[in-house]
Amino acid sequence: KQEVTQIPAALSVPEGENLVLNCSFTDSAIYNLQWFRQDPGKGLTSLLLIQSSQREQTSGRLNASLDKSSGRSTLYIAASQPGDSATYLCAVKDSGYALNFGKGTSLLVTP
Amino acid sequence: EAGVTQSPTHLIKTRGQQATLRCSPISGHTSVYWYQQALGLGLQFLLWYDEGEERNRGNFPPRFSGRQFPNYSSELNVNALELEDSALYLCASGWGETQYFGPGTRLLVL
Repeated sequence: KQEVTQIPAALSVPEGENLVLNCSFTDSAIYNLQWFRQDPGKGLTSLLLIQSSQREQTSGRLNASLDKSSGRSTLYIAASQPGDSATYLCAVKDSGYALNFGKGTSLLVTP
Repeated sequence: EAGVTQSPTHLIKTRGQQATLRCSPISGHTSVYWYQQALGLGLQFLLWYDEGEERNRGNFPPRFSGRQFPNYSSELNVNALELEDSALYLCASGWGETQYFGPGTRLLVL
């Protein structure tokens, strides 16, 4: 059974800092990995999708990398802003039918 | 293009009652997935419907059930509600290997 772990569980940084969120998974036989953002009480917004054949994806200030062999992904956020405050979820799609989610990293960016 | 929609946004029920949650997928998507996000827990897979059939279910009791209609919209029914059913219920529709999520229904069981 695929297990997805996200570290740290919570993170508080001052505005302007660059930061890294970590995600690890136990079964490297994945189709893709996706990073989502969730604002309090809201649904999920997809940030980046990395196919298993890819090493990284970039969107604006966000960069996600994937090392399938070691079962790791990182989400890099450059020049953080208070509007980046949210919970960030990592989800892995393997041979099963559903996404396997980590419990998320709760990020607070202070002005 | 309209995204995944869910109704109602909030639902308050008492223990023992039944709850019905609805989801409309993105046009052209035939798969609908239901997930539960309870406080302190990660997103847990509930049910997967495709082409009107239940394809698989997660580790939830049979009182969690649903159906998919010919237009691919879906209902999630939760019978004999328990306090621990209080959660955000998210619906996603899929095409290929990507899932797109709706805004969720917040269910509170008193």
